[in-house]
Amino acid sequence: EAEVAQSPRYKITEKSQAVAFWCDPISGHATLYWYRQILGQGPELLVQFQDESVVDDSQLPKDRFSAERLKGVDSTLKIQPAELGDSAMYLCASSRTSGGAGADTQYFGPGTRLTVL
Amino acid sequence: QKEVEQNSGPLSVPEGAIASLNCTYSDRGSQSFFWYRQYSGKSPELIMSIYSNGDKEDGRFTAQLNKASQYVSLLIRDSQPSDSATYLCAVYSGTYKYIFGTGTRLKVLA
Repeated sequence: EAEVAQSPRYKITEKSQAVAFWCDPISGHATLYWYRQILGQGPELLVQFQDESVVDDSQLPKDRFSAERLKGVDSTLKIQPAELGDSAMYLCASSRTSGGAGADTQYFGPGTRLTVL
Repeated sequence: QKEVEQNSGPLSVPEGAIASLNCTYSDRGSQSFFWYRQYSGKSPELIMSIYSNGDKEDGRFTAQLNKASQYVSLLIRDSQPSDSATYLCAVYSGTYKYIFGTGTRLKVLA
C-alpha cells in the first residue's frame, strides 16, 4: 500500500539554527499539505500545494518558514532560524484532489518530531 | 466560534461498551467529513469518511452525519483498550479548505 514518506523522523536542534523537513507524497497525489501539531491540539495547516503551486500559506510564518514543491512531487519545509516555540510534530499529508470518490481524502506521513533547545 | 468543535475529553468507557464521539462544524457548505485516529506520538490514521446524511458502518465503527444540524459523530462498538487514542474530526469545505478539530481523547478501561 502506497504511503507518504517523511524524513527525518526526529530532529533536535538549537535555537537560531536552520532545519529542513522532506516529504514524498503518495504517487499521483496532486495536493500536498504541511501541518504543525502541538501536543494536545489538532493539526494546523501551514501550507498547501496543488501540484507545484501554493494554494494556501496564510498560516505560514513567512519570516522564518519557507516551503517548496518545485516539480510538483516531493516537498521541503524549512525553518530558519528555529525558535523554542517551533517544537512540535510536523506532518505531511497528500490527497488526489480529483478523480472521483475519495479524492479529497488526506493520508498522513509518519511526521517529524522537532525539538528546539 | 471554532470552525470544527470537539470535546477534548477524556472520554472514559469500559471495555466492551459503545464509545460515542461528537463533532460540530460551522460551515454549512462543508462537503466531506473524516474521522482520524491518532495514537500518542504518532500521525493521524484515517478511520472513516462520510459524505451524505445518515449512517455509514465499517466493522465496529459507525459514522453518522446530519448536515441540517451540522453534526457528525463516530460510534465505536465493543470498545477495546487498543481503541484508546485521540480521535480527530476533519471537515472539507471545498476550494482547498480542510479544517481539523482539536480531537477527543478516548480511554477504554479494561
